[in-house]
Amino acid sequence: EDQVTQSPEALRLQEGESSSLNCSYTVSGLRGLFWYRQDPGKGPEFLFTLYSAGEEKEKERLKATLTKKESFLHITAPKPEDSATYLCAVQVSARQLTFGSGTQLTVLP
Amino acid sequence: DGGITQSPKYLFRKEGQNVTLSCEQNLNHDAMYWYRQDPGQGLRLIYYSQIVNDFQKGDIAEGYSVSREKKESFPLTVTSAQKNPTAFYLCASSLDGVTLYYGYTFGSGTRLTVV
Repeated sequence: EDQVTQSPEALRLQEGESSSLNCSYTVSGLRGLFWYRQDPGKGPEFLFTLYSAGEEKEKERLKATLTKKESFLHITAPKPEDSATYLCAVQVSARQLTFGSGTQLTVLP
Repeated sequence: DGGITQSPKYLFRKEGQNVTLSCEQNLNHDAMYWYRQDPGQGLRLIYYSQIVNDFQKGDIAEGYSVSREKKESFPLTVTSAQKNPTAFYLCASSLDGVTLYYGYTFGSGTRLTVV
């Protein structure tokens, strides 16, 4: 069975304190790995797609990396506005994404 | 601006009542999806549709029904057979449902509560 596990479940950082979120997956035939940001009471917002081990994508203070078994979302010098839940999802079949349960990030001023 | 509109934002259902959640997109996307989100759990797929007049069950389809009569619209009905419908429901779309290069575009969600 395909599984996506995100850790930690919750993370509290001081403003400027860099850290990483983890997404590990056990799937048969990865077609793509996706990162989303979700604010409370809103739908997820697309951040990155990664397709192959070694690939990296960056956007402002966020950088996503991919290995054969996991992906990391690195947050450099975070700001309070980076507080959100970050979701990881994998595409296995041609038709759907399988999501992890998310990491709730809080950045304190 | 293009996007996905879900309505209503909040919905209250009485025991034994069917309710319908609306999802409309003006992105000209072929594929549309319904997900359910519960606290501490990942998004779980209810139904998806690749083309008009065709849809498939996802992982948790029991107690739900959908229709896809127009490309732009993919309403979800939560029937009385769904015993635990309280959740946050998300509608999404993608260009073709295959390449998913940009992932899904999500609506802003409907929060359904049983009263």
